[in-house]
Amino acid sequence: GESVGLHLPTLSVQEGDNSIINCAYSNSASDYFIWYKQESGKGPQFIIDIRSNMDKRQGQRVTVLLNKTVKHLSLQIAATQPGDSAVYFCAEIKNSGGSNYKLTFGKGTLLTVNP
Amino acid sequence: ETGVTQSPTHLIKTRGQQVTLRCSSQSGHNTVSWYQQALGQGPQFIFQYYREEENGRGNFPPRFSGLQFPNYSSELNVNALELDDSALYLCASSYLGRPGNEQFFGPGTRLTVL
Repeated sequence: GESVGLHLPTLSVQEGDNSIINCAYSNSASDYFIWYKQESGKGPQFIIDIRSNMDKRQGQRVTVLLNKTVKHLSLQIAATQPGDSAVYFCAEIKNSGGSNYKLTFGKGTLLTVNP
Repeated sequence: ETGVTQSPTHLIKTRGQQVTLRCSSQSGHNTVSWYQQALGQGPQFIFQYYREEENGRGNFPPRFSGLQFPNYSSELNVNALELDDSALYLCASSYLGRPGNEQFFGPGTRLTVL
């Protein structure tokens, strides 16, 4: 039969382990990159961002790495907890002129944390 | 400070009907963006409103239209509904001029078209 929707990439980890979620992007002119967390039934929630002129940025339990050579972005979550279970999206921000910024989301990754 | 709110939470319509979704922006924000999120996909930009005018639009047909009111709240209207319009509709508020990484999303309205 016909499938409905796309199958999300999935990542399953044990509680306490570190998680790494990856994202490839195509627009080398992006100004910022953002990681969002989306829990079931909720809108995307900002986690961390990184300017395009940076390689690494750390937050609380999270680290984002940006490799512009291969156009790759990753989100590392330390000591993953059951509350981290959600879909994670990377997004690009590009200035489209003046004060206009365009936010483009990538494909999400479903993270499941097993207790 | 209040967050972004959307109404209704869920809505069921039939093909050909029209629908209006509502969004109240976060306190201090003057810009509202609307996104469509189909099942299993990332949000897709529909359009943005600033000073009650459309300020950027994604790849959506004219039957998707919007309004912004003086209090910065916004409506998304969709005419002649199609089955593929079934999705989660998200609104995000921000302050124009900030780098765009400060968009705050509401919980969304789940629209089902039968």
